[in-house]
Formats: sequence, C-alpha cells, structure tokens
Amino acid sequence: SQQGEEDPQALSIQEGENATMNCSYKTSINNLQWYRQNSGRGLVHLILIRSNEREKHSGRLRVTLDTSKKSSSLLITASRAADTASYFCATDEDSNYQLIWGAGTKLIIKP
Amino acid sequence: DAGVIQSPRHEVTEMGQEVTLRCKPISGHNSLFWYRQTMMRGLELLIYFNNNVPIDDSGMPEDRFSAKMPNASFSTLKIQPSEPRDSAVYFCASSLATRLTPDTQYFGPGTRLTVL
Repeated sequence: SQQGEEDPQALSIQEGENATMNCSYKTSINNLQWYRQNSGRGLVHLILIRSNEREKHSGRLRVTLDTSKKSSSLLITASRAADTASYFCATDEDSNYQLIWGAGTKLIIKP
Repeated sequence: DAGVIQSPRHEVTEMGQEVTLRCKPISGHNSLFWYRQTMMRGLELLIYFNNNVPIDDSGMPEDRFSAKMPNASFSTLKIQPSEPRDSAVYFCASSLATRLTPDTQYFGPGTRLTVL
C-alpha cells in the first residue's frame, strides 16, 4: 500500500533555481525519509527526519515536517543538472519495520 | 562495503520460463525487502524478511512468485512460469532495523526483467 503522496508529480525548473516537493501521509509516524532515484538506478537515501523534529538540513537539502498537517517538504536549493531524478518520500508504520512509499516526484533540471 | 548486490542486472526471457533473481544484502543487516517497480504501479513491496524469516508476503502477486532467504547473506526471488505482465524492475533492499533505530533502506541496482 502507498501512504505518502508526493506533490507535484513532475517538476521542471531551470538550473540554479530552488525545487520544492511535498509529501502528505495519513497515519502517525515515527520518522519520514526522502530518497532519490536516478534513471535506471536503485533508490538512494537522502535524509531522515524524526516525528519530534521540525526541520533538518543536509548540504543543499532542507526537509521540514509538520505532523499536525501530516506533511513534509523537501527543498533543494541552487539546483544542478545532476539533481534530475525522481524523489520519493517514505514513512514508517508504528507496528513494523516496513516503509510506506509515495508515488514520487519527477524532477527535471534544465541547463 | 559493496552495498546490496543483485544479479542479473538484466534478464530477457520468454513467457513460461522460470526466472530467478538473486540478492546479497549488506553484511550485518537483518531485514531484506523485495520490491517491484513499474510505470503503472510505482514501487510495490513484494515480500519482507526479518532475520531470514518471511514476515510479510502479502505483496506477492500470486503463486507464481516465491522468495527464499536460506541465510543472512543470500535471497532469491523466483517467478515460475513467467508472464509478460511480470516485466518490471525488481529491487532488493536491506536495512538494520530495531525498535530503537529507524529503518533506512539500502537498495541494490535492480534487475530489469523483460518477459517476451
């Protein structure tokens, strides 16, 4: 089953601009993760934010979490062509170790 | 660390043939996941092992699919007989999950399966 829903489904921006992707989920969570998938590759973990955290940074990535709205956003600043990929959010379920995946946002950075 | 290893990377077979996909998880990880990814359905969890034991196989499409994990360093996903609708990219992922640590998953490069 898929809990997370990313928004938008696709995003095309110019290199150097900031890219913002959103994720909404339905149940309570312990943590939320963002992953990147380059074309033809496996998913790569980017960042994890716990339910008691509101914001987290990693390099050019900034993730926010609003548990009252059951939503998260991923901001990529100063985008580069290499950021072209699909981005997925994943949430855990309280009762087991599985991750529930969203459908992903396809990000295209135009040079 | 070599990461999660999958083989083969590409597989082309004819309908009705048996297909076996292989996965070597990261050493020390206690959880292993098999996923299928298609354009239509996105990323689907097929089966989840914890300490080599299948915990949840509710995502396995039908009896044609089976998965085993005979030891902590090896797992297989078998499709017999294969059908064209099984064409997809199959990913294996592993993690070290406990009640205290979040389960970041590490993905292999995937096996692109084409059933003609």
